[in-house]
Amino acid sequence: DGGITQSPKYLFRKEGQNVTLSCEQNLNHDAMYWYRQDPGQGLRLIYYSQIVNDFQKGDIAEGYSVSREKKESFPLTVTSAQKNPTAFYLCASSIQGQGSTEAFFGQGTRLTVV
Amino acid sequence: AQSVAQPEDQVNVAEGNPLTVKCTYSVSGNPYLFWYVQYPNRGLQFLLKYITGDNLVKGSYGFEAEFNKSQTSFHLKKPSALVSDSALYFCAVSFQGYSTLTFGKGTMLLVSP
Repeated sequence: DGGITQSPKYLFRKEGQNVTLSCEQNLNHDAMYWYRQDPGQGLRLIYYSQIVNDFQKGDIAEGYSVSREKKESFPLTVTSAQKNPTAFYLCASSIQGQGSTEAFFGQGTRLTVV
Repeated sequence: AQSVAQPEDQVNVAEGNPLTVKCTYSVSGNPYLFWYVQYPNRGLQFLLKYITGDNLVKGSYGFEAEFNKSQTSFHLKKPSALVSDSALYFCAVSFQGYSTLTFGKGTMLLVSP
């Protein structure tokens, strides 16, 4: 089946640790995105990538990092610099990043700081 | 800058009644408008989009939306609500040449039996 796979579904992080969230797609999409979802705030864009080896900051990139070494993969690292990382993280992809094509979403990773 | 407003945090409707979830937008140029639905602890599912053409757009699960340029609105509608329609609904906007979506804060739809 084609789709986007995020792992793990639940992740717990200790203070001061970096953690990496995985996102893999087999839809042959060029563009990939990371969003953060907090209750009552909708989705906010962290990073996006329109092509391999290139990515741009979104609205809330501070404390996060990404890489795009392969078309299928767009991992997100939540660094210790992110002061409030507890949230639901959603990865998405689209055929091309030109605004008119709908995005397909993964099932999300819920990150909790303990 | 582009923005989306969903003025209602929650909409309550009885099963079988029509439902409307409101969305207004602000964007430079011609907008691309989307509706997504999210069930608890899941990702978002695409419902429908307006790019150009007919102002009434039909989508998945019997939902439709009407683009109104003069009122800068894109309200989601369904003639007869189902209990299974209960979920969180997001409106989103983009425009030509801009690759990312801007989302509203979401509206929780609760359909009572």
